[in-house]
Amino acid sequence: AQKVTQAQTEISVVEKEDVTLDCVYETRDTTYYLFWYKQPPSGELVFLIRRNSFDEQNEISGRYSWNFQKSTSSFNFTITASQVVDSAVYFCALRDFGNEKLTFGTGTRLTIIP
Amino acid sequence: GAVVSQHPSRVICKSGTSVKIECRSLDFQATTMFWYRQFPKQSLMLMATSNEGSKATYEQGVEKDKFLINHASLTLSTLTVTSAHPEDSSFYICSAVSGANTGELFFGEGSRLTVL
Repeated sequence: AQKVTQAQTEISVVEKEDVTLDCVYETRDTTYYLFWYKQPPSGELVFLIRRNSFDEQNEISGRYSWNFQKSTSSFNFTITASQVVDSAVYFCALRDFGNEKLTFGTGTRLTIIP
Repeated sequence: GAVVSQHPSRVICKSGTSVKIECRSLDFQATTMFWYRQFPKQSLMLMATSNEGSKATYEQGVEKDKFLINHASLTLSTLTVTSAHPEDSSFYICSAVSGANTGELFFGEGSRLTVL
């Protein structure tokens, strides 16, 4: 069975600080996809990244970076130099190859304090 | 990129009435769409998988007679909350798959239902 764990329920940091959101997953499949989504107060889900299980290279996109560690089944997300606009709920999600369903973590509510 | 549109974005209804929410894929054909439900400050829970031309597959614990799903065309799936009650108040989000096994999932903007 698939499972995604986001142990951090809420995080608050002061603007310009770096912050890392943790994500640990469980799956029996050897091929799968991992995702991060941002959900601002308006509610829509904003796609941030998709990572294939066979690609363990870390990725950087502007102030965002992702650390995929297959050995520990983790896919952590770091925001550097945080900004108030980063305040949102962030979801990590897992999808097995061949199964189109997404399993979401419980989300981490990030608050950036001005 | 692909766009999925939901309508209405917000709806308020009286208890006992039925509400229909539409999910459209605007620039691609979606043989499969998913309906999620999100209670305040909680995660997204999959309610059902909607397959074009066939009956929806519901997740355990979801009442299929309560939440009617119709996927009559490759670009439209509808969720009807029948005889809505206050406990059905929630944020409903649909997603659509573009292509098979590509990993490309697109989400609608969500529909916030409030039942008085």
